[in-house]
Amino acid sequence: EPEVTQTPSHQVTQMGQEVILRCVPISNHLYFYWYRQILGQKVEFLVSFYNNEISEKSEIFDDQFSVERPDGSNFTLKIRSTKLEDSAMYFCASSARTDGNQPQHFGDGTRLSIL
Amino acid sequence: DAKTTQPNSMESNEEEPVHLPCNHSTISGTDYIHWYRQLPSQGPEYVIHGLTSNVNNRMASLAIAEDRKSSTLILHRATLRDAAVYYCILRVITGTASKLTFGTGTRLQVTL
Repeated sequence: EPEVTQTPSHQVTQMGQEVILRCVPISNHLYFYWYRQILGQKVEFLVSFYNNEISEKSEIFDDQFSVERPDGSNFTLKIRSTKLEDSAMYFCASSARTDGNQPQHFGDGTRLSIL
Repeated sequence: DAKTTQPNSMESNEEEPVHLPCNHSTISGTDYIHWYRQLPSQGPEYVIHGLTSNVNNRMASLAIAEDRKSSTLILHRATLRDAAVYYCILRVITGTASKLTFGTGTRLQVTL
């Protein structure tokens, strides 16, 4: 069964450094998402992306965050200047459509640790 | 997204059926009922979804009340690998219903 893959599985970065998290969505999917989960807390929506544009973003997704689909397969999340509070699991997801009759498929996440 | 209410935790014995309830009294006619689960150290995993009729797939069954104000996820024979947090989420049928809004879910413990 096709799956969403994320790399790296664990990223350790110094505070203030830039970090790029990478995702390969399911190949025929058109809608892409990033979520994060701080340890012990809920899964939170960050951003959705379609047709090379952000379609929706949360309050968490401020100017330090950006997303890109640099080629036909990868979908990336960049954090420009990391803060301690950015430490979390980051999950990428994709779906074939965006309506309610369509599930989102998630990767296993990247654990981001900011020192 | 309309609100859902789930018990914080449930326990089950292995190889017995598990019924995970979800209340969604403010559901609208345009909301699908979705279930996801999150195993330890993994991303959320889609389980099943439905609109009005009961649904079955290889993972589980979804029983939807006639008034749609509640639903039950049924695992027919729980295994240790089913120990996870289960989330009940409502999603509108059409339009830009992009994001999933996760609550705290039900933590299912499965014991031998």
